[in-house]
Amino acid sequence: EVQLVESGGGLVQPGRSLRLSCTASGFTFGDYAMSWFRQAPGKGLEWVGLIRRKAYGGTTEYAASVKGRFTISRDDSKSIAYLQMNSLKTEDTAVYYCTRDREVRVGELFYHYYYYMDVWGKGTTVTVSS
Amino acid sequence: DIQMTQSPSTLSASVGDRVTITCRASQSISSWLAWYQQKPGKAPKLLIYDASSLESGVPSRFSGSGSGTEFTLTISSLQPDDFATYYCQQYNRAWTFGQGTKVEIK
Repeated sequence: EVQLVESGGGLVQPGRSLRLSCTASGFTFGDYAMSWFRQAPGKGLEWVGLIRRKAYGGTTEYAASVKGRFTISRDDSKSIAYLQMNSLKTEDTAVYYCTRDREVRVGELFYHYYYYMDVWGKGTTVTVSS
Repeated sequence: DIQMTQSPSTLSASVGDRVTITCRASQSISSWLAWYQQKPGKAPKLLIYDASSLESGVPSRFSGSGSGTEFTLTISSLQPDDFATYYCQQYNRAWTFGQGTKVEIK
């Protein structure tokens, strides 16, 4: 069974750091890009960032709201994706979800890749408060 | 950023009803659109990708259509398990969601 399990959430003071983990099972982790999303209480869904698979350089992209503060990394040997969150703000309070991202390749000589999210974890709650 | 606007925000319907939710993009996204279902306290679940492709295991009463800037999600005959919030998401450039449509019992 394909499964993603987030962990590492909790209560943290503003300005502090927290690292979330996303442990994958049931599929070949290294073959997929992975993303993080969040959902503030009572609000909609917001993309946080993405990390491509190592075959494409393992490059990352981030939402403007977290760029420079959050870092995504991956350990394919352990099937874990990480979200390192620094300089946390109260507005970072949310449920954080990791996702497995399915790739769509377009083009012939030069490829462009699109990603949509086909598997979601149950989420882990991060509360930033003094 | 590409803005996604869903309508309506809330929809009251009965079991057996045909339900349509609309999603508009602020610029053309071709067919790079997905639909998700989310129930309270649960993670989103992929229903439709590439605007009209049904995800494996999703009941065939769900369908998606559209391209460019206008998209629809249709539930042909609403079932008790379908009362939830639905989100559209574009993945043409980064990833942004509509604000959600809550489908509630009439």
